[in-house]
Amino acid sequence: SQQGEEDPQALSIQEGENATMNCSYKTSINNLQWYRQNSGRGLVHLILIRSNEREKHSGRLRVTLDTSKKSSSLLITASRAADTASYFCATDQRGYSSASKIIFGSGTRLSIRP
Amino acid sequence: NAGVTQTPKFRVLKTGQSMTLLCAQDMNHEYMYWYRQDPGMGLRLIHYSVGEGTTAKGEVPDGYNVSRLKKQNFLLGLESAAPSQTSVYFCASSYSMGNPADNTQYFGPGTRLTVL
Repeated sequence: SQQGEEDPQALSIQEGENATMNCSYKTSINNLQWYRQNSGRGLVHLILIRSNEREKHSGRLRVTLDTSKKSSSLLITASRAADTASYFCATDQRGYSSASKIIFGSGTRLSIRP
Repeated sequence: NAGVTQTPKFRVLKTGQSMTLLCAQDMNHEYMYWYRQDPGMGLRLIHYSVGEGTTAKGEVPDGYNVSRLKKQNFLLGLESAAPSQTSVYFCASSYSMGNPADNTQYFGPGTRLTVL
């Protein structure tokens, strides 16, 4: 099963509203990353949060990490039409130096209605 | 910098045919990866490489082979394509896995492969 599971699978909101997506994982991690994928394109890195960090900001993005609950959330404030995309979390499992332990979730499809 | 590029962008194969997908990066990254993405699913790691001349299996390696003869190139081969290999293939690269600050992955635009 996937290490990272996003919730919800799909989200539709009005432009200007805030969008919140969640990611849960199963094992201890070194860090957690969020990526965005526009339709038909490759993934683009948004933000990385380390296991010893609780919150991180980047522009309109806010990421939180709760290692006790093994969960993270991505908040996009004041959404815009250009934010329409799929969002994936990726976890880097603690204790491994192998690249095979970066696991992507199945993603949240975000749609912004005008 | 072009970043990560993939060729071809699209390909249609018949069952049993072979082909090679090429990934190139100009960022001097040590690590390179091949993923497949299927509808409604995240990315699954096929093979990866931690440096020139080295490769390793990922989560779903069966039916694929890879080579990393040059640091900037990572090739993914399908020796005998099967319909189950119909997917979108993404290549990615990163500096290293040792430093958590450095393992941001940079993705190519993808190759859409259909096997009939």
